[in-house]
Formats: sequence, C-alpha cells, structure tokens
Amino acid sequence: AQSVTQPDIHITVSEGASLELRCNYSYGATPYLFWYVQSPGQGLQLLLKYFSGDTLVQGIKGFEAEFKRSQSSFNLRKPSVHWSDAAEYFCAVGGTSGTYKYIFGTGTRLKVLA
Amino acid sequence: GAGVSQSPSNKVTEKGKDVELRCDPISGHTALYWYRQRLGQGLEFLIYFQGNSAPDKSGLPSDRFSAERTGESVSTLTIQRTQQEDSAVYLCASSRGFGETQYFGPGTRLLVL
Repeated sequence: AQSVTQPDIHITVSEGASLELRCNYSYGATPYLFWYVQSPGQGLQLLLKYFSGDTLVQGIKGFEAEFKRSQSSFNLRKPSVHWSDAAEYFCAVGGTSGTYKYIFGTGTRLKVLA
Repeated sequence: GAGVSQSPSNKVTEKGKDVELRCDPISGHTALYWYRQRLGQGLEFLIYFQGNSAPDKSGLPSDRFSAERTGESVSTLTIQRTQQEDSAVYLCASSRGFGETQYFGPGTRLLVL
C-alpha cells in the first residue's frame, strides 16, 4: 500500500542550528514528492517538489531536499534555522501510478528555541 | 481571485444535520482537491476534480460524503447526516493541472456536536 512516514512528530532546534526532517515513502513507482509547511493560522504552502532529474532540489525559504531512491527517502534540510521556521511540515507523495491521489504524512512539528 | 477561498471558515452543527462546504479555486485552475485534516493528523485525500468531472473519488469515507463542481469554478462538499467523527478541518486546493503545484485554501473547521 502507498504510504508516507514522518517518524519525528516533534523536533526542537536552536535558532541557527541545522535541521533535517525525515520522510520515507512506500509507493509502486517513483512518485512525485513534495514538502509543505503549515504555519499557525496560515494555509499550507509548498516548499519544494521533486518530479525527476537532479535528486537534490532547492525550495523556498532556504530549504532543500534530497531524493534517495535506495532508501525511499526524501528528507528536508536547512543549514541554519530561523525562529520564523517554527511550523508543521508535511511530506507528500503522489501524481503517478495511475492515481490522482496525494498521500500526506502525519507531519513534524518544529519548535525553534531562541 | 488572488487565492483559494473557502466558506464558511467555521461551522458548528448538530449530529445528524447536513452541511455544505464551499471552495472557490484560483481562476483558471482546472484541478481541484478536497482533503480532510483531523486534529493532529496529516491530510487525508477525499476527491479530485478535473474540470467538473471527478476521476478520483476514492478518498470519500462513506456515501454520506459527496462533492460537485461547476465547470472549472466553485466546488461544494456535502456531508449528510453528520457524525461526530466528521469533525475536522476540510481543506480545498487547486492547481493549473494535475501534478502542478497545489494552492491551499484556509480550510473550513467543522465541529459536530
């Protein structure tokens, strides 16, 4: 069955520290992969997406993610976290294998310490 | 419009009542999605529209749920005989086409008492 796993429910980092949010997926083919951010009181916003090609993708707000086929992973990274990055982050897969369904992970809530 | 809008922003209803949720997508976006987000959960896909047809309804949880879309415009999600487990935030998203970036609305927070 298709699924997305975000193993970390909560992550706390200090401002200026590096960040890595994990995402693993189970899918029949190489899916389209996405990271979204949901800030308090805000709607979901796309950070970045991977369809094909270069496995390291750059997104908005200084985020990047790397697709690793062998590990079925698409981890999100940022070299230096800002207090405004505190939010909930969702990994999602979809768009291939003859289905229109997008599957979201349960999210990782990021807390940033000043 | 400038973004995806949804109405109402909040809805409180009694168990057994019907509710209708509305989504206004970005003008020109042919693809439209409905999702449900329960408290502390990820987004759960409900239905996908391409234009006014719905090639994927696989996420609708029961026959109490239905949705329609007028052309490439407004969509309504209807929940009949609401149950307490229907309480959630219902999110709508639109995109230029399938596989394109989805733009999400602010959601409708539904509480069934």
